[in-house]
Amino acid sequence: GEDVEQSLFLSVREGDSSVINCTYTDSSSTYLYWYKQEPGAGLQLLTYIFSNMDMKQDQRLTVLLNKKDKHLSLRIADTQTGDSAIYFCASPSGGGADGLTFGKGTHLIIQP
Amino acid sequence: DTEVTQTPKHLVMGMTNKKSLKCEQHMGHRAMYWYKQKAKKPPELMFVYSYEKLSINESVPSRFSPECPNSSLLNLHLHALQPEDSALYLCASSHTGTGINNEQFFGPGTRLTVL
Repeated sequence: GEDVEQSLFLSVREGDSSVINCTYTDSSSTYLYWYKQEPGAGLQLLTYIFSNMDMKQDQRLTVLLNKKDKHLSLRIADTQTGDSAIYFCASPSGGGADGLTFGKGTHLIIQP
Repeated sequence: DTEVTQTPKHLVMGMTNKKSLKCEQHMGHRAMYWYKQKAKKPPELMFVYSYEKLSINESVPSRFSPECPNSSLLNLHLHALQPEDSALYLCASSHTGTGINNEQFFGPGTRLTVL
C-alpha cells in the first residue's frame, strides 16, 4: 500500500517562509493533497496538485511536485502565528473512493 | 454548502454502552468515510462507503459498525468499546471515480472517551 513520510516538526520565525516536505511511494497517485489541522479541530483541505503539474500557487501557498523523486513540498510565504498547526500531506490509498493515506504530520511552530 | 457536520462533538461512554456517531453532507458526494485519529497521530481509514455500499472494510473490530442510510448520511454504531478506542472520529466525503479529484472534505470530528 501507499506510504507517506514527513518530518515531524518545523520551527520558523514569523514573517519567514515555511517549507514542509513530504515523500510518497505510489507513483500512480493522480492527486496529492495538503491538509491543515489546528488543535482540537478537524482537517481543513488547504490545496492539492494534479500529478501532471510541477507547481501550483494559491495566494501564500506554493506546492511543488517532483514526480521522479516522489517528493512534494508546501511553501507558506510570510508565515503568521495563525499558520501554527499540524500539516498533513495525503495521497489516495488506491483508485476511486479508497480513502487517503496520510503522512505523520508536520507540526509548524512559529517563533515571534 | 461545502460543510460536513458531525454529532455529537464530544461523547463519553462506558464499556457496556451502545452509542452512535452521526455524519451528514449535502454536497452531492457519493463517497463517505470514517477515520480514527489518536492523539499526535495521522487519521487512519476505518470504512469507506461508495454509493451507499461498503467498498472497503479495514480490519476494524466488530464493535464498530458503520451504516449508510442514504447518500447524505453516515452513522457509526459503537458497542462494547475499550478504553483504547478513545480517539477523535472523523467523517469525510468526496466525489468518487477514477482519474478525478477525490478531494475529501472533513467534518470537525467527534471526540470519544471510553471509560
